[in-house]
Amino acid sequence: DADVTQTPRNRITKTGKRIMLECSQTKGHDRMYWYRQDPGLGLRLIYYSFDVKDINKGEISDGYSVSRQAQAKFSLSLESAIPNQTALYFCATSGGGLGYTFGSGTRLTVV
Amino acid sequence: GENVEQHPSTLSVQEGDSAVIKCTYSDSASNYFPWYKQELGKRPQLIIDIRSNVGEKKDQRIAVTLNKTAKHFSLHITETQPEDSAVYFCAAKRGSYIPTFGRGTSLIVHP
Repeated sequence: DADVTQTPRNRITKTGKRIMLECSQTKGHDRMYWYRQDPGLGLRLIYYSFDVKDINKGEISDGYSVSRQAQAKFSLSLESAIPNQTALYFCATSGGGLGYTFGSGTRLTVV
Repeated sequence: GENVEQHPSTLSVQEGDSAVIKCTYSDSASNYFPWYKQELGKRPQLIIDIRSNVGEKKDQRIAVTLNKTAKHFSLHITETQPEDSAVYFCAAKRGSYIPTFGRGTSLIVHP
């Protein structure tokens, strides 16, 4: 299902480059999130937004920034990518205080 | 803040056996407990959830139990099949707060 779409699906970038990951949703949810997934560490929250004017840091926000361009769009930027930011990144949405709908993920490799 | 511990990290069973994954949480005010299944290379998807006013919930071969006094909840899968092989994540959530995830359990079902 394409209700939470992430682009790109895969990306290889060089150390020091700026990169943006994009997320768009058709769920109509107000809440959007960015997580990174590393083996053995589960899902760790980077940033979240409860509406267009609301941006909050998660547990691992250093080195990342976000922009909530509209209710349906939430982008994640790595200002100067470093190798330990190599991970699988997921966008997610929620509405009504219930469970998440995750995007398909972006596999990012920093070389 | 909330802390969620999930065990075991890896679980290997024979097809047809039952599998149980356990999570403990620290915040007694948490009132919503979802479980997500992540198949290899795919996004996490919500498979079952339970609210704090319910002790057990079933959906075909999967069930979740909640013990509020002990602050733990468990996922039970009966008659396991190879397609149950995946990483399972638990989470605990308090009201409108951000959920806290466990680190995941890799379930392997051997044919």
